[in-house]
Amino acid sequence: QITLKESGPTLVRPTQTLTLTCTFSASSLNINEVDAGWIRQPPGKALEWLALIYWDGNERYSPSLKTRLTITKDTSKNQVVLSMTNMDTVDTATYYCVHKRRKLGAFDIWGQGTMVTVSS
Amino acid sequence: DIQMTQSPSSLSASVGDRVTITCQASQDIGNYLNWYQQKPGKAPQLLIYGTSNLEAGVPSRFSGSGSVTDFTFTISTLQPEDIATYYCQQYHTLPYTFGQGTKLEIK
Repeated sequence: QITLKESGPTLVRPTQTLTLTCTFSASSLNINEVDAGWIRQPPGKALEWLALIYWDGNERYSPSLKTRLTITKDTSKNQVVLSMTNMDTVDTATYYCVHKRRKLGAFDIWGQGTMVTVSS
Repeated sequence: DIQMTQSPSSLSASVGDRVTITCQASQDIGNYLNWYQQKPGKAPQLLIYGTSNLEAGVPSRFSGSGSVTDFTFTISTLQPEDIATYYCQQYHTLPYTFGQGTKLEIK
């Protein structure tokens, strides 16, 4: 059973860079065998897919945010990291780390989410 | 981007009712559609993938159907614990996109 846990700052200032870490936990888990990503949800609003990193290291990004996002993985720590530059108040949201089922675009495991507020 | 439009945005029903939510895609997505349930203050949970496949452990009162651009999510007999917001999501084409959600309340 895979579990995901997000960590990172709860408050960032406008123009700063946000860095979120997702730690995968499971016995015998090799993060090189999973597809993982990030989805966010502004308060009271819908879900928005942000980025994916595939088992082979390929990355995909939301076109509207592509210039601001970087997704990486640290295989030694079983972690996936999302960086988002030039944060703005509209980026205030709960950020979820997700596991995507291989060969299927279904997000079958979610972290609990981490609320990030952008404010000066 | 493929736009996903859910209807209705909110819905009030009684325990035991049959509930139906629709999701329309702005272009052909085949059967590449998933449904999620999100309870207040919680992360979403995958209920149905590939239009009609029930995720393991999900009660059989939940079902999905459709193809191309028009999809339906049904709860056959509404239970109190089904109070949540439901989202459709297409995975035919990146970027993956979600509907705006349908908030289900008990009457």
